[in-house]
Amino acid sequence: QSALTQPRSVSGSPGQSVTISCTGTSGDIGAYNSVSWHQQFPGTAPKLLISDVDKRPSGVPHRFSGSKSGNTASLTISGLQAEDEAVYYCCSSADNYTLVFGGGTKVTVL
Amino acid sequence: QMHLQESGPGLVEPSETLSLTCVVSGGSISSTFYFGGWIRQPPGKGLEWIGSFYYWGDSYYNPSLSSRVTIAVDTSKNEFSLRLRSVTAADTAVYYCARRGFDYDAFDIWGQGTTVTVPS
Repeated sequence: QSALTQPRSVSGSPGQSVTISCTGTSGDIGAYNSVSWHQQFPGTAPKLLISDVDKRPSGVPHRFSGSKSGNTASLTISGLQAEDEAVYYCCSSADNYTLVFGGGTKVTVL
Repeated sequence: QMHLQESGPGLVEPSETLSLTCVVSGGSISSTFYFGGWIRQPPGKGLEWIGSFYYWGDSYYNPSLSSRVTIAVDTSKNEFSLRLRSVTAADTAVYYCARRGFDYDAFDIWGQGTTVTVPS
């Protein structure tokens, strides 16, 4: 079971849009509509941002959106804000009732 | 509001067994958990799924850890546990417990995490 592949870092200026990719295989992202994204600030627990590929839990700002195509999922932050500077992790269901996380992407607001 | 809290020793000697408990408050495991899980994060690194127990009683583990891991649930105490045997310094991490409920296909509630150190 290999970790999902995410870019180590992305950056953008306030107001810009940034997209984080999360690439898996036909045994995880490609097979299940069970991709989630979690936001983590230093020293704190992760927080759910997106579930079921593109479902936004109540309380999550609308500028966060998710999508999937084939073996790759994406998280887009539209209208980047300073408070969005954090590390973002994707997670997917995989075969045999297992789960796999991505390596994490640090978002820097310039 | 549901709350998950990890507890256990912060220091475990090499070759010993790491044992952690996740106490759930504000709701019943029996009625609100589709599955519960343990996730860890080594210092400065990303998240690693350790394993999960499902509401129907089965548990599933990360293949890389399956020979050393056991996850159990005690619904009478509303808690679940992690046992990781034969630990080494590579098992040093923050350990989180988390819930996957019935509304979202994801870990939607996380504990605050507990740091476990295995000296080298």
